[in-house]
Amino acid sequence: SQQGEEDPQALSIQEGENATMNCSYKTSINNLQWYRQNSGRGLVHLILIRSNEREKHSGRLRVTLDTSKKSSSLLITASRAADTASYFCATVFFSGNTPLVFGKGTRLSVIA
Amino acid sequence: DAGVTQSPTHLIKTRGQQVTLRCSPKSGHDTVSWYQQALGQGPQFIFQYYEEEERQRGNFPDRFSGHQFPNYSSELNVNALLLGDSALYLCASSLGTGMLYFGPGTRLTVT
Repeated sequence: SQQGEEDPQALSIQEGENATMNCSYKTSINNLQWYRQNSGRGLVHLILIRSNEREKHSGRLRVTLDTSKKSSSLLITASRAADTASYFCATVFFSGNTPLVFGKGTRLSVIA
Repeated sequence: DAGVTQSPTHLIKTRGQQVTLRCSPKSGHDTVSWYQQALGQGPQFIFQYYEEEERQRGNFPDRFSGHQFPNYSSELNVNALLLGDSALYLCASSLGTGMLYFGPGTRLTVT
């Protein structure tokens, strides 16, 4: 079964707008990661946030983590057509070597 | 520096057949993980190899097996293929428990 659930399943916005995607999970985690996938190809790691962190930034990306609500959000600011992709959250349960558990993803379409 | 490579890119097989997918990890990486991604779904963990041994396994039947070679490359074997095995198979490499780097995937179609 999949740990994370992204919301919404699909999102369509205009270029220049901000895109917000949410992820909820069920059990305690060590860290949460966001990945991007273009057209059913390999996944690209975007950002990792640890359970003791509340917010991280990377370029136009901003990730928040609320462990009390077991949820995370990914904000992409000033979106571009090239941001069109599927975005997945993935959780790691414990420190050490545990496999990533992915959600079903949010399909983002940025219209030029 | 080449990233993670996978072969073949696409593959069409018939039910009941066997298939072998291959993965070469990123230079310097010693751990290989395999994921299955059905259409419209997130990747599901199959298993992970380290030091030529299966270190962890997800909820997949024994029809799914793998191997890691001394050069850290890996193979995923699936026996007695079912229609439901049609998916994108992703290989990811890492250095120990570090960040995963994914390959482009192999698209398997079972007819």
